[in-house]
Amino acid sequence: DAKTTQPPSMDCAEGRAANLPCNHSTISGNEYVYWYRQIHSQGPQYIIHGLKNNETNEMASLIITEDRKSSTLILPHATLRDTAVYYCIASNSGGGADGLTFGKGTHLIIQP
Amino acid sequence: NAGVMQNPRHLVRRRGQEARLRCSPMKGHSHVYWYRQLPEEGLKFMVYLQKENIIDESGMPKERFSAEFPKEGPSILRIQQVVRGDSAAYFCASSPVITSGHYGYTFGSGTRLTVV
Repeated sequence: DAKTTQPPSMDCAEGRAANLPCNHSTISGNEYVYWYRQIHSQGPQYIIHGLKNNETNEMASLIITEDRKSSTLILPHATLRDTAVYYCIASNSGGGADGLTFGKGTHLIIQP
Repeated sequence: NAGVMQNPRHLVRRRGQEARLRCSPMKGHSHVYWYRQLPEEGLKFMVYLQKENIIDESGMPKERFSAEFPKEGPSILRIQQVVRGDSAAYFCASSPVITSGHYGYTFGSGTRLTVV
């Protein structure tokens, strides 16, 4: 898996959009960008993934730059329950070939 | 549709005892992954199993740790002769049979192992 770099922590006001950046400058052509989050003491939760195109689902949007060297996860209307550690992973193992490599992630704190 | 079920949620063992952690994947999922999270650290991949087969155990410690996923029943992560350094949260994830494309894994709530 390619190395990813994320800020260790971020704050966001409740109701605002939370934009979480991730750098993956060494990503290879067949590696997808995955986002997971881990709310305190719980198991990780899959959020979204993408290869080249921007993606959106009921939880979030994923914006990937054209050169694929960075991406941004957007939570459009953050709530207190979105406080968690968010992990950005670049991997080609989404088909189950092997495990994902989790880094330290970004601790997102939603402020009331 | 139950998610990935792990039990027990909390397990306390004395040094030298054995720990058995169980994981039942989501219905229809035949791939299981085990991860370990040490206190204040990220998740580390341990092992990937399909029914009756270990596919990738590159993250497993060479000694005392073993995993299985029998034809019937849950996947078991077994730690023999536990030491204090084995204290961690152990998470299991599952995914369906690979056909094509990419998808996210579904994780269980974990087993917190405390070695005293």
